[in-house]
Amino acid sequence: QKEVEQDPGPLSVPEGAIVSLNCTYSNSAFQYFMWYRQYSRKGPELLMYTYSSGNKEDGRFTAQVDKSSKYISLFIRDSQPSDSATYLCAMSEGMKTSYDKVIFGPGTSLSVIP
Amino acid sequence: DGGITQSPKYLFRKEGQNVTLSCEQNLNHDAMYWYRQDPGQGLRLIYYSQIVNDFQKGDIAEGYSVSREKKESFPLTVTSAQKNPTAFYLCASSMPQGLAGHNEQFFGPGTRLTVL
Repeated sequence: QKEVEQDPGPLSVPEGAIVSLNCTYSNSAFQYFMWYRQYSRKGPELLMYTYSSGNKEDGRFTAQVDKSSKYISLFIRDSQPSDSATYLCAMSEGMKTSYDKVIFGPGTSLSVIP
Repeated sequence: DGGITQSPKYLFRKEGQNVTLSCEQNLNHDAMYWYRQDPGQGLRLIYYSQIVNDFQKGDIAEGYSVSREKKESFPLTVTSAQKNPTAFYLCASSMPQGLAGHNEQFFGPGTRLTVL
């Protein structure tokens, strides 16, 4: 079993739809959960991160973590064509006194159709 | 503008050649990383460096080498020993974990390496 799993898609939605992107993981020690957006042939950019369980909202984006189920989600409201990209989840244990290794999911490709 | 630059954007290599990918950052970050990205796979860590003059192997270091002589620079050499080097290579950097609480990484634009 891979440490972090993510449906690769592609996911295609009409403009204005609510998008749900998800990851599952196996390491219960993960405490920090991140979402990166990567446009084609570009480097990933950090969208948001969440510590431990709960929700975090930033504009049209909401990150949700359910540690009991080892499941994280990113919701995009009122999706726009500019949201078309690959979304990578990433997570780490957040150790402050030693190297905090980040594990990345393979990414979900999203297309928002005008 | 603060950020991470990688060069070149595209690189073509003949079999048996060594090539060096450049990564420079002006974010004053201590830690720097090299990842490889292949279709359908998550980012895989090649090497990382938490401080100048020190670096550690990641999960797939075989066939690669790095140096960290300056805080701003972390070049990656893909040697002829790397059996399947065609991939998208990403450099990243991060501030000390104690400041951010976790390893929040910022990425460069990437270099696409193709072996002919």
